[in-house]
Amino acid sequence: QVQLVESGGGAVQPGGSLRLSCAASGFTFTAYGIHWVRQAPDKGLEWVAVISHDGRNKNYADSVKGRFTISRDDSQNALYLQMNSLRTEDTAIYYCTIFSHWGLGTLVTVSS
Amino acid sequence: DVVMTQSPLSLPVTLGQPASISCRSSQSLEHSDGNTYLNWFQQRPGQPPRLLIDKVSNRDSGVPDRFSGSGSGTDFTLKISRVEAEDVGVYYCMQGTHWPPWTFGQGTKVEVK
Repeated sequence: QVQLVESGGGAVQPGGSLRLSCAASGFTFTAYGIHWVRQAPDKGLEWVAVISHDGRNKNYADSVKGRFTISRDDSQNALYLQMNSLRTEDTAIYYCTIFSHWGLGTLVTVSS
Repeated sequence: DVVMTQSPLSLPVTLGQPASISCRSSQSLEHSDGNTYLNWFQQRPGQPPRLLIDKVSNRDSGVPDRFSGSGSGTDFTLKISRVEAEDVGVYYCMQGTHWPPWTFGQGTKVEVK
């Protein structure tokens, strides 16, 4: 069955960096564009970034453009999100998703 | 960016009764390929979102048939024919026609009266 498992979240100070990972299994990884979607505490869903099935195209929400970088390693069936210059408003659960399936998420807390 | 507006934002329901959630987009979601990329997600408390319906009316695998989606253009509806206790949670619509970005509605919280 399809599984998406996020890791790498944690607590970081404003201005800091984190790298999130998503381990995928149970589907043909290279056939899918994969997204990061986040959810701030007690808030709604916000799309963050997507990488195309072949890794050639990447798109970002304006709120993270220039600070976050999405990438994938097809040999590892893995998705990544490098997050730099983190702000308090980046505090959220970050989900890896192909929309038909979602991971459980990883919590990122940005606080001084 | 396409703005998705859901109503109501809170929906108290009686078990066994029907429920309906509206989702409106700021522009038509009909794609040039003929599809309309409007999805509905359910998020139960403490869980990740779950895809209920894609392309307006296609129920995902395992989704009970009491859930149905309809609409076209800019107006869409999610209906639950008879609400069950397990349906409590927040429901989101999302458009995937005009991207980036993919955009979600604010969410509708369904709770038992």
